[in-house]
Amino acid sequence: ETVLTQSPGTLSLSPGERATLSCWASQSISSSSLAWYQQKPGQAPRLLIYAASNRAAGIPDRISGSGSGTDFTLTISRLEPEDFAVYYCQQYGSSPLLLTFGPGTKVEIK
Amino acid sequence: QLQLQESGPGLVKPSETLSLTCSVSGGSISSSRHYWGWIRQPPGKGLEWIGSFQYGGSTYYNPSLKSRVTISADTSKMQLSLRLTSVTAADTAVYYCASDISSRWFFYWGQGTLVTVSS
Repeated sequence: ETVLTQSPGTLSLSPGERATLSCWASQSISSSSLAWYQQKPGQAPRLLIYAASNRAAGIPDRISGSGSGTDFTLTISRLEPEDFAVYYCQQYGSSPLLLTFGPGTKVEIK
Repeated sequence: QLQLQESGPGLVKPSETLSLTCSVSGGSISSSRHYWGWIRQPPGKGLEWIGSFQYGGSTYYNPSLKSRVTISADTSKMQLSLRLTSVTAADTAVYYCASDISSRWFFYWGQGTLVTVSS
């Protein structure tokens, strides 16, 4: 089973700053198997990025994903007030299907 | 636009069975294009995938819960169901149903329902 690790645990930034969130897999995974979600308090997760670098419908282009193998990154180029939330990476494993989430990174207002 | 709404008891006693339903609108639960899933989140903690279901296809479960979980669909009611047996306090969580045309992630989510396991 592939384990996902996210860092940092908490990121304290100001609006307008750039946020770089990391997700590491315990073994190499296909880029087509990695997704990112945003979750705000009291809300369901929201799919941001799928297949490592593809924005989901309605996601602004200031949010981007990259990476391959074991190292993946979610970047928010300029933080807007609505971007302060918890972010989870998630990977898909096959044979049989198994979805696992990382522990999350909280982006808080500095 | 697909919409999902979870419902069920908010309180379940230890050792009993947790049963939740997810009502689907804006789409068909019998569509083989969609994957339907359950994900849970203990208070203040991260997300855990419970399992996924594809109508006419296979059902997949998290190995850590497989012995206690059943996911099924009632097409006449347009509902997805979750059944979790022999619950303990560790099963206290917000339970979400979700869907996507991919088996790999979920775009559509319900608002979630909190289930507390307590006597």
